Amino acid sequence: GNSVTQMEGPVTLSEEAFLTINCTYTATGYPSLFWYVQYPGEGLQLLLKATKADDKGSNKGFEATYRKETTSFHLEKGSVQVSDSAVYFCALGGSSNFGNEKLTFGTGTRLTIIP
Amino acid sequence: AAGVIQSPRHLIKEKRETATLKCYPIPRHDTVYWYQQGPGQDPQFLISFYEKMQSDKGSIPDRFSAQQFSDYHSELNMSSLELGDSALYFCASSASDRGGDTQYFGPGTRLTVL
Repeated sequence: GNSVTQMEGPVTLSEEAFLTINCTYTATGYPSLFWYVQYPGEGLQLLLKATKADDKGSNKGFEATYRKETTSFHLEKGSVQVSDSAVYFCALGGSSNFGNEKLTFGTGTRLTIIP
Repeated sequence: AAGVIQSPRHLIKEKRETATLKCYPIPRHDTVYWYQQGPGQDPQFLISFYEKMQSDKGSIPDRFSAQQFSDYHSELNMSSLELGDSALYFCASSASDRGGDTQYFGPGTRLTVL
């Protein structure tokens, strides 16, 4: 079945540092890939997505590229801010064109940015 | 923009009691999903509905049931509550006529079982 392996945390960085959170997946077909972010005490917010190989999702300075050859979807940001402190989840969607399939999440990576 | 609405936001129950969680999807979204997130855990898929029919089922205990109504809102019914049911329960919705692969999550219902 589908699975997601995500870089374990917690990760602590200084403000303006470069961020990489690794995510690899196992799936059949061509699943959609997502990064969700969860701020303290809040729900899951969609950060970015990619639906096919070599697609790059981007939002709020974060980027991730769908790499089918390495089955990876690593999250990167060039210069993190204190407000980026949150838990980040990599997620795997369905492979059908119809969609409407459950998400499989990684274990989450807690990111703390210190001023 | 309208988001997914969940109620209640917080719920405290005793063991063996029942609980009902409600979810109101984004307007014109026809698919609803339920996830359970234990403390420090990743969300686990419970069940989903498309056009009022169950479309997929995950690790949902037999003590739980859910349905989607004609107005597309959904309810998760939980009976014989156990301490281990304490978790954050998320509802998400998606629109099948727009690819259907992007799920938008509600703020969650935090259930505490004492």
